[in-house]
Amino acid sequence: AQSVTQPDIHITVSEGASLELRCNYSYGATPYLFWYVQSPGQGLQLLLKYFSGDTLVQGIKGFEAEFKRSQSSFNLRKPSVHWSDAAEYFCAVGFYGGSQGNLIFGKGTKLSVKP
Amino acid sequence: DSGVTQTPKHLITATGQRVTLRCSPRSGDLSVYWYQQSLDQGLQFLIHYYNGEERAKGNILERFSAQQFPDLHSELNLSSLELGDSALYFCASSAGLQYNEQFFGPGTRLTVL
Repeated sequence: AQSVTQPDIHITVSEGASLELRCNYSYGATPYLFWYVQSPGQGLQLLLKYFSGDTLVQGIKGFEAEFKRSQSSFNLRKPSVHWSDAAEYFCAVGFYGGSQGNLIFGKGTKLSVKP
Repeated sequence: DSGVTQTPKHLITATGQRVTLRCSPRSGDLSVYWYQQSLDQGLQFLIHYYNGEERAKGNILERFSAQQFPDLHSELNLSSLELGDSALYFCASSAGLQYNEQFFGPGTRLTVL
């Protein structure tokens, strides 16, 4: 069955420190991938996306992610975290070749930022 | 602002009741997806409509139903509500049938008492 794993439920980083949030998926088909961010009481905002091509993708708010097919991973990174980045982050995956267009989401990683 | 609107923002109702959640997709988007977000299950796909037709079902209960109207707005109907149906319900829209980014609305928070 298709699944998306975000191993870290909660991460705390200091403001100005670097950040990496992990995402792994399981399924044999070729994926397309997204990272979304959700602030408390808000909807999901698309941070970045990967469909094909260059495996390092840039997103909004200074975020980037790298698709590694050999590791079935799509980790999210930011070189310097700002206090406003505190939120919950969701990795989502769709698969080419399937009959459905819905996304499969990880359980999310909650990011706290220390001043 | 994603361009996807959902009403109402909050809904409080009692067990056994029926409610309707409404979603208007971004202008030009033909696909509407409904997702349920709860603390224990996370974000779960419920149902997908494309240009008025049901295309896929996920973990949607038989007590729940949806439709997409000719103007492309969609409604999610939840009936015989139970305490466990309390959750955030999101609508997302995308341009095509598959392989598109999805834009999410602000959600409807349903509380069943």
